Amino acid sequence: DAGVTQSPTHLIKTRGQQVTLRCSPKSGHDTVSWYQQALGQGPQFIFQYYEEEERQRGNFPDRFSGHQFPNYSSELNVNALLLGDSALYLCATSSGGGSNQPQHFGDGTRLSIL
Amino acid sequence: QKEVEQDPGPLSVPEGAIVSLNCTYSNSAFQYFMWYRQYSRKGPELLMYTYSSGNKEDGRFTAQVDKSSKYISLFIRDSQPSDSATYLCAPEEEYGNKLVFGAGTILRVKS
Repeated sequence: DAGVTQSPTHLIKTRGQQVTLRCSPKSGHDTVSWYQQALGQGPQFIFQYYEEEERQRGNFPDRFSGHQFPNYSSELNVNALLLGDSALYLCATSSGGGSNQPQHFGDGTRLSIL
Repeated sequence: QKEVEQDPGPLSVPEGAIVSLNCTYSNSAFQYFMWYRQYSRKGPELLMYTYSSGNKEDGRFTAQVDKSSKYISLFIRDSQPSDSATYLCAPEEEYGNKLVFGAGTILRVKS
């Protein structure tokens, strides 16, 4: 049973560029959440997708956007990259619409901005 | 003040010791309480998932929630070197959609 898979594992970009990160949910999961984890910190919630709609958003600017596809996979897009966007980006998936369901994480995409 | 506070450690213990990891929180709306373990260069792995106050045991792990004092604990019995990792507490509101993480506590178990 495949768990949550994320791609790519590592990415290097320069300031001002745009990036797209991808997430495939664990089998049976229909809800996808994205988190940003800076070095030495806990993950911070970016947003959650369910039924192809953004259901809730954390305290992140509009440069961060996302999409969920009919097969429940998801993308995270970040525009106009800043040095401060360097972090580990984690995808977490859950079942049953997501609310108060256990969230299972992938191993993340490590994004480095030069 | 952060919503969820954790002592960052590192906490260093000998193999076989009982480990106590703790979090405090400020949001009284939190009803679900999760503990995750994160190894270096890996994503968080769900260890314990509890609802409201009380204790929950799973193997060597026991999660304890005291909502009256807004205090969360994770106990690890017979600690092993393989338990060396960062431990993250993550509460969630009822009908909520987001986990609110502490900064994590680094645990080192020495053989």
